[in-house]
Formats: sequence, structure tokens, C-alpha cells
Amino acid sequence: AQTVTQSQPEMSVQEAETVTLSCTYDTSENNYYLFWYKQPPSRQMILVIRQEAYKQQNATENRFSVNFQKAAKSFSLKISDSQLGDTAMYFCAFTSRETSGSRLTFGEGTQLTVNP
Amino acid sequence: DGGITQSPKYLFRKEGQNVTLSCEQNLNHDAMYWYRQDPGQGLRLIYYSQIVNDFQKGDIAEGYSVSREKKESFPLTVTSAQKNPTAFYLCASRDRLSGNQPHHFGDGSRLSIL
Repeated sequence: AQTVTQSQPEMSVQEAETVTLSCTYDTSENNYYLFWYKQPPSRQMILVIRQEAYKQQNATENRFSVNFQKAAKSFSLKISDSQLGDTAMYFCAFTSRETSGSRLTFGEGTQLTVNP
Repeated sequence: DGGITQSPKYLFRKEGQNVTLSCEQNLNHDAMYWYRQDPGQGLRLIYYSQIVNDFQKGDIAEGYSVSREKKESFPLTVTSAQKNPTAFYLCASRDRLSGNQPHHFGDGSRLSIL
């Protein structure tokens, strides 16, 4: 079974600075997909960024980018120029074609606070 | 706009009572999911369905039941057998045939015990 681990329960950063959230996972599969979701105080789950394991290039979405290290099974999220609206719980998640029902396996989450 | 609608947003359950959470999607997705979120924890899978009239247990199915009579709808019943139902419940859907497509989530339902 796959597992996802986020070792930082809480993090804080000053507005306009850069912060990196860590995620590691464990799987024996070769083809899989990784996601970062953001959950603000409204509790909505919002997709931040996705990465296909077969792609060597790290995904980027505006101020958000990932450092995907397949051999190390690491998938960190970097937020540049942090904004107050980035304050949220961030979840790392894993799925694959072989995973039953393509369900998502989530990490425990990292609460990020952006300070003015 | 396409999306997922969950209702009610807030729900209270009395002792011995079954309650049903609604989840409707108009994204034409085959796969639908129910996740439970407790404070300080990630989301855990309760049930999922990949096609109409078929569903599978997830990691924490005990005390819950589902049905999938229509593609658009995947209601979750929290039965009296679920002794600790207080949680935030999220419904999601996905295009089953597309590998990298993410889950789309509803806005969630919060269930509390009276």
C-alpha cells in the first residue's frame, strides 16, 4: 500500500518570501501521479499543482513549483513570493492507474501561515 | 458551471439516528468518492464508485453505506453503527479514464453529534 508523509505539521513565512513544504511517499509502482492540494479556512479543496511520475521536468504553476525527486520518492512544494491568501492547509496526495479506484492517498497536511 | 454540490453544509445527528449526506455532480465523471477529514489528519477514504450500480469499500467503511443509482449522484448514509461520526465529509469525482486528471471536490459537509 502507498503511504504519503508530510513531516511538517506547521510552517510560517513572511509575506513575499519563499517557503518549501516537504512530502515523501512510498510506492513500488513506476507510473503514478502526485498532487498538492490547498485547503483554506473555507475548507474547499483546491488543486495547486500536479506531477506525472514519468515526466522528468518539474511542474510549475505561476508562483508554485515542485521539486520531484523520483529516486528519493520526494515531492516538495515551493511557494515563491508568498501572499496572505496562501495561508491554508496543504496536502500532498498520490494516485496511480494501478491503485484501486484511482483513489487518492493523502498526507497528514501542513498548516502554512503567511505573516504580514 | 460544472461542479460538485454537497448538502447539507451542516448536519446534526441524534443518538441512534441515520443521516444521509448528498453529493451531486454535473461533470459527467464516472468515478465518485467519499472522504472523511478529522482535525489534524489528512483525508481518509470511506467508499468509492467507478460506475453506476457498483461501489467499493475504502479504508474506513464501517458504519457507513452508499448507493450509486445514477451517474450524477453518490449519497452517503452515516448509520447509527458509526460511533464517532463527528467530522468533515468531502465528496469528490474524477474522470476515470484519464490518468492524471485530479479529483474535483465539493465544498464539504460538517456532521456533529447532538
